[in-house]
Order: sequence, then structure tokens, then C-alpha cells
Amino acid sequence: DAGVIQSPRHEVTEMGQEVTLRCKPISGHDYLFWYRQTMMRGLELLIYFNNNVPIDDSGMPEDRFSAKMPNASFSTLKIQPSEPRDSAVYFCASSPSAGRIYGYTFGSGTRLTVV
Amino acid sequence: GQSLEQPSEVTAVEGAIVQINCTYQTSGFYGLSWYQQHDGGAPTFLSYNALDGLEETGRFSSFLSRSDSYGYLLLQELQMKDSASYFCVPLSGGYNKLIFGAGTRLAVHP
Repeated sequence: DAGVIQSPRHEVTEMGQEVTLRCKPISGHDYLFWYRQTMMRGLELLIYFNNNVPIDDSGMPEDRFSAKMPNASFSTLKIQPSEPRDSAVYFCASSPSAGRIYGYTFGSGTRLTVV
Repeated sequence: GQSLEQPSEVTAVEGAIVQINCTYQTSGFYGLSWYQQHDGGAPTFLSYNALDGLEETGRFSSFLSRSDSYGYLLLQELQMKDSASYFCVPLSGGYNKLIFGAGTRLAVHP
């Protein structure tokens, strides 16, 4: 298995531009999570999906952030418009239903820099 | 609600044993997970304890005491590659999401 695949690995964009981050979970995993990590705030859960349905988006910082999961093999996190404070590493993770027992698998992350 | 305490930093030498403690207050506590994250890398799953006692996986062991709301990660025969951040993550029953604290940064020196 290729693991959780995220793209792009690095993204540099100008303030005000739209940014789309992509994630392909492990086949057969029915949970998908988006996290953001910064030095100041640590690793924050933004949103998670179960069977493609958003379950908890209470961590999404504001309306500029949106996430979708149109099918079991693909999810996007969109920021529009982007701001410098959105600069962070964004991780996608997936797990089977018993993920808390067997662990969640994280992708390599997307390092976003907004200038 | 949830509260979590881990030391922010731990330093040790190669070949030594180190214990990273974790105390938590979590409503509906279900179990305790541990994750490792190297600088520039992604978190990776190390272990999960649902029951009291010690779980051993190679050089790493994880312990849980539910009555004390306490757990620890024990790393033996430390290697330089063990330098990383370690997160204890208490899990609540009925929830499938991981909430990470600040973690413990372990530095292993020659």
C-alpha cells in the first residue's frame, strides 16, 4: 500500500490566492482527518469525515476554510482567500473503523507558505 | 473536557533508558495512544493501551494505569534516531478523533 498520499508537498502562494490541498487515503479506510501543525499551536484537528460525510468541523478556523470528500479515495482542503497566518504544515490522516486501536496513518504533509 | 500533561523536553544519552510520563483528565476515557514525530516528518503510531499494564513492542513499551489517569512510554537502548517528539493521546469512547497535546521533545545525545 502506498499509504496516505498528499499533494502538493510544498506550496508557496501569495496572500489572497486560493489554495487547494489534496489527499488520497488508504484504500478501505473509512475515516479521514485533516490536521494543521504550527510551532505556536501544535497539531490541530481541523475536520474529519466518516464514509465521506463530514462528522466534526469544529476545528475549522473560519469560513475561509472548506473541506470536501466527494468519494472514498479523495479529499480536498481549500483556503480562499489565503492569509499569511495560514502558513503551516497540513496533514491528512486516515484510519479504519478501529483506528484508535490500530493507529491512524498520516500522509507526509503539505507545507504551505503564504507570503 | 480534556487536560493533558507531559514534560515538554527530555534529554538522554545513547544506550540509556528514558520514560516519558503522561497524566490526563478525559471524560469517557477509552484508551491511551502514543505517536512519534521526527522533525519534518509526519506523526506515526507507536502503541495503544486500553487495559492497565505494560505493552511491549521491541525497544518501546507503554504503560497505563486507568485508576491513576496515568501512562508512560518507556524507550530502552536509546538510539540517535529516537530523537523526536512523542505525543500521548487519550481517547474518549464514542469518538474517533485524535486530539494532540504539545508532546515531549526527546533529544538523544552521544
